[in-house]
Amino acid sequence: EIVLTQSPATLSLSPGERATLSCRASQSVSSHLAWYQQKPGQAPRLLIYDASNRATGISARFSGSGSGTDFTLTISSLEPEDFAVYYCQQRSNWPLLFTFGPGTKVDIK
Amino acid sequence: EVQLVESGGGLIQPGGSLRLSCAASGFTVSSNYMSWVRQAPGKGLEWVSVIYSDGAIYYADSVKGRFTISRDNSKNTLYLQMNSLRAEDTAVYYCARGPMIVVGYYFDYWGQGTLVTVSS
Repeated sequence: EIVLTQSPATLSLSPGERATLSCRASQSVSSHLAWYQQKPGQAPRLLIYDASNRATGISARFSGSGSGTDFTLTISSLEPEDFAVYYCQQRSNWPLLFTFGPGTKVDIK
Repeated sequence: EVQLVESGGGLIQPGGSLRLSCAASGFTVSSNYMSWVRQAPGKGLEWVSVIYSDGAIYYADSVKGRFTISRDNSKNTLYLQMNSLRAEDTAVYYCARGPMIVVGYYFDYWGQGTLVTVSS
């Protein structure tokens, strides 16, 4: 079973600052990693798939990078609506199961 | 426009049963893989189950033997039958759609969620 760890648990930043979020897999997932944003009381929203591809309608200030075991989600300049929790996610094949990381909360400094 | 609308949540006693529904529109549930993902209060996301377009089904160990995922193609609806419910099953349950790709591992559309509370 592949385990995902995210760091930091909380990131306190000001609007306009750059946010760098990390996701590490316990074994290689190639580029099969996705990122989601979740705001309080809302469902998760897909931001990035295949490590670096932005989902439909996602702002260019969100970018993803990495492959294998180490991945990064970068928000180039935080907007007020970007303060939320971010999860990474992958699927392992044996056993087949989907795994989410524990999340990184980006809050206002 | 793709939409997913969950229903069926509520307060249920430990040991009880509940069936969640996820009505889909804008696409055909049998053409995509569909999952249930839950989130306990104040906690992170936990995958529960998936059904693929070919009918293959998988469950998380935490619900195996107690929960059953299914779909009704004529109603374009996904279901989750939950039996032998425990307090730790208390969560918001989301249905989520996977895209029509060969190596599918992520979810591109999510419903708004339905709250299940297991308590006496």
